[in-house]
Amino acid sequence: EVHLVESGGGLIQPGGSLRLSCAASGFTVSSNYMTWVRQAPGKGLEWVSLIYSGGSTYYADSVKGRFTISRDNSKNTLYLQMNSLRAEDTAVYYCASGIAVAGTGVEYFQHWGQGTLVTVSS
Amino acid sequence: DIQMTQSPSSLSASVGDRVTITCRASQSISSYLNWYQQKPGKAPKLLIYAASSLQSGVTSRFSGSGSGTDFTLSISSLQPEDSATYYCQQSYSTPLFGQGTKLEIK
Repeated sequence: EVHLVESGGGLIQPGGSLRLSCAASGFTVSSNYMTWVRQAPGKGLEWVSLIYSGGSTYYADSVKGRFTISRDNSKNTLYLQMNSLRAEDTAVYYCASGIAVAGTGVEYFQHWGQGTLVTVSS
Repeated sequence: DIQMTQSPSSLSASVGDRVTITCRASQSISSYLNWYQQKPGKAPKLLIYAASSLQSGVTSRFSGSGSGTDFTLSISSLQPEDSATYYCQQSYSTPLFGQGTKLEIK
């Protein structure tokens, strides 16, 4: 059974850094299409970053240059390093695993973690 | 950049009704459109992928259709547990979610 557990959220001052972790079980992170999606309080879903099985990474414009997605194959864990945090980064951050059919645009997020709350405030 | 617009932003319906939620893309996205359900305090759940394919384990009361720029999510025989917010998401380019449609069951 696929299971994703996020951790690392908390209260951080503006300009600070935080690293989120997403521990996976039931599948191999490095072989899958993985993503981070966030949701600000009372707002909709916002895609943040993704990494393909081949290692290619992509970022939303709102976080480009500040956030870095990575994975540790030995720990079967996905990470999101967040630097230069701003108040508008306050949100619940979800990791998700999905399917990306090579050569097509068929890509979707099948399994989701429970989320971890990041609050950026002084 | 592609824009995704859902309508309505909210709706209210009764048990047993059939409802339709629309998602419109600002340019053609072929059939690269997914639908998710999110209940308060919970993670999103995949319902439909590639516009019309039902995710395994999801009740057949949910169905999706469309291609190009116009897509619909239909829910038949509404049940109380269908009360949730529904999001479309395009995968033609980097992922983008619609703004959501909140469904209330009367």
